[in-house]
Amino acid sequence: QVQLVESGGGVVQPGRSLRLSCAASGFTFTTYGFHWVRQAPGKGLEWLTVIWPDGSIKYYADSVRGRFTISRDDSRDTLYLQMNSLRVEDTAVYYCVRAVGPYDYWGRGTLVTVSS
Amino acid sequence: EIVLTQSPGTLSLSPGERATLSCRASQSITTSYLAWYLQKPGQAPRLLIYGASIRATGIPDRFSGSGSGTDFTLTISRLEPEDFAVYYCQHYGSSTWTFGQGTKVEIK
Repeated sequence: QVQLVESGGGVVQPGRSLRLSCAASGFTFTTYGFHWVRQAPGKGLEWLTVIWPDGSIKYYADSVRGRFTISRDDSRDTLYLQMNSLRVEDTAVYYCVRAVGPYDYWGRGTLVTVSS
Repeated sequence: EIVLTQSPGTLSLSPGERATLSCRASQSITTSYLAWYLQKPGQAPRLLIYGASIRATGIPDRFSGSGSGTDFTLTISRLEPEDFAVYYCQHYGSSTWTFGQGTKVEIK
């Protein structure tokens, strides 16, 4: 069955970096585009970034453009989110999402806490 | 950027009642790229409706979506205990993706 499993979250100080991973299984990874979506504690959903199936196109939300980078390794069926210059307001659960237009599968999320 | 505004913020209803949730877009979503998701506490969201009115796989028919242009509605015909949760609408496009702020459906 389709599975998306995020990892790499944790507690990090402001200004530091973190890389999230999302391991995919149960489907042909190269067929799909993927997004990262986050949810701050007690808040709603915020779209962050997308990568096209062939990796050629990436878009970012204004809130993370220039600080976050999405990438994929098709040989490992894995999606990444490199997060630099982290801020307290980046504290959230980060979800990896498979997209077929709408989001048909979500990972369970990984919590990133930015705190001094 | 398309802004989605959901109303009401909270809906207090009893099991068996009908729920009507609204999602209004700041500009017309001409291709009905509008989806609805349900999120229960501690869980990831789950796709309910896409294309404004198409139920996702496995979604019961008490859930229905309608609307076009800038005004969209999610209707739950008879609330079951497991339906009390937060609902989000989403515009999915080719270069922008946005969510509404959510509507919480709570037990009255």
